[in-house]
Amino acid sequence: AQSVTQPDIHITVSEGASLELRCNYSYGATPYLFWYVQSPGQGLQLLLKYFSGDTLVQGIKGFEAEFKRSQSSFNLRKPSVHWSDAAEYFCAVGLFSGGYNKLIFGAGTRLAVHP
Amino acid sequence: DTEVTQTPKHLVMGMTNKKSLKCEQHMGHRAMYWYKQKAKKPPELMFVYSYEKLSINESVPSRFSPECPNSSLLNLHLHALQPEDSALYLCASSQEASGRGLGFQETQYFGPGTRLLVL
Repeated sequence: AQSVTQPDIHITVSEGASLELRCNYSYGATPYLFWYVQSPGQGLQLLLKYFSGDTLVQGIKGFEAEFKRSQSSFNLRKPSVHWSDAAEYFCAVGLFSGGYNKLIFGAGTRLAVHP
Repeated sequence: DTEVTQTPKHLVMGMTNKKSLKCEQHMGHRAMYWYKQKAKKPPELMFVYSYEKLSINESVPSRFSPECPNSSLLNLHLHALQPEDSALYLCASSQEASGRGLGFQETQYFGPGTRLLVL
């Protein structure tokens, strides 16, 4: 069955430090992959997406992600974290099921940033 | 512009009340979605509308009744809810709902959500 795993439930980093959030997926075909961010009490904002082509994709707010087919991974990175990056991060796979596209979300990773 | 708006932001209702949540987008998207999100959990798909027709109902109880009056609007009518229905209700839209392999058409954009409390 298709699934998305975010191994880290909670991560804490210092402001200015680098960040990597892990995401692994299980899907037979070439997946559509997304990273969304959710601030407390807010909706989900799309950070970036991968469909095909260059495996390193750039997103908003200085984030990037790399698709590695051999590792079934789509990890999110940022070279220098800002306090405003504290939020919940969801990795998602878009899959085609029953004639329609669905998003399968990981459980999320909560990021805390120390000053 | 990738904005999806939702009203109200917060809603408190009793178990015998009838209320509605509203969602609006002006991006020309033909697919709209309702999700339910409990605290510290990822969103769970409830309904998918494609070209104003209900396409997917993820076995949602009938006390939730979706409606799509036109291609820009999506409502969720609530009646006789239970306290366990308290959650953040998210609306999303995408250019298309049925995959054609182009990916970008199926990218979903989310609204800010309505936080619902059922007493």
